[in-house]
Amino acid sequence: NAGVMQNPRHLVRRRGQEARLRCSPMKGHSHVYWYRQLPEEGLKFMVYLQKENIIDESGMPKERFSAEFPKEGPSILRIQQVVRGDSAAYFCASSPLAGGQYFGPGTRLTVL
Amino acid sequence: AQKITQTQPGMFVQEKEAVTLDCTYDTSDPSYGLFWYKQPSSGEMIFLIYQGSYDQQNATEGRYSLNFQKARKSANLVISASQLGDSAMYFCAMRDSAGGTSYGKLTFGQGTILTVHP
Repeated sequence: NAGVMQNPRHLVRRRGQEARLRCSPMKGHSHVYWYRQLPEEGLKFMVYLQKENIIDESGMPKERFSAEFPKEGPSILRIQQVVRGDSAAYFCASSPLAGGQYFGPGTRLTVL
Repeated sequence: AQKITQTQPGMFVQEKEAVTLDCTYDTSDPSYGLFWYKQPSSGEMIFLIYQGSYDQQNATEGRYSLNFQKARKSANLVISASQLGDSAMYFCAMRDSAGGTSYGKLTFGQGTILTVHP
């Protein structure tokens, strides 16, 4: 049973470009969470999604960030017009209806 | 609002000894879950152990155990017989009941860096 998959593992973007981060949850998991980890800090919640629905986006910045979890395919975290402050590790986690959250390996985003 | 506090930025332990990593939390929700994760230098987040707020017994998983003291709002992680591979960052996290559901976002502490000496 494959774990949570994230790609790419490393992403380099120049200021103003778009970043797309993908997350495929574990088989049988219908809940996806995105977290951001800035250097030397703990993880901060961004958004919680189920298939085709955003359940809680209270941690998402108001502008430039969006997330989706379509009926088919992976969940996508999209950052438009990236800035240097967006450089961080972005983790996706998935869970079944009830239970622990299992994390993917993360995507390290570097904005030049 | 929920809050997780890890007061130890760094801890050192001798190989084969036990170590306790502290975690205190604050929530007004009667139903919650507490988690510990390990983050080695490679960066991935590894789930270690879970404790539910209504669980009567402390959770254990191999060399990991959770010292859950509900009245004190503490959920300390105990690692027995430390190994060199235990050197990593450790995060305590809490999940609330998300308005009656059994799943919700995790709130993380700042983490404790554990170094195991040979």
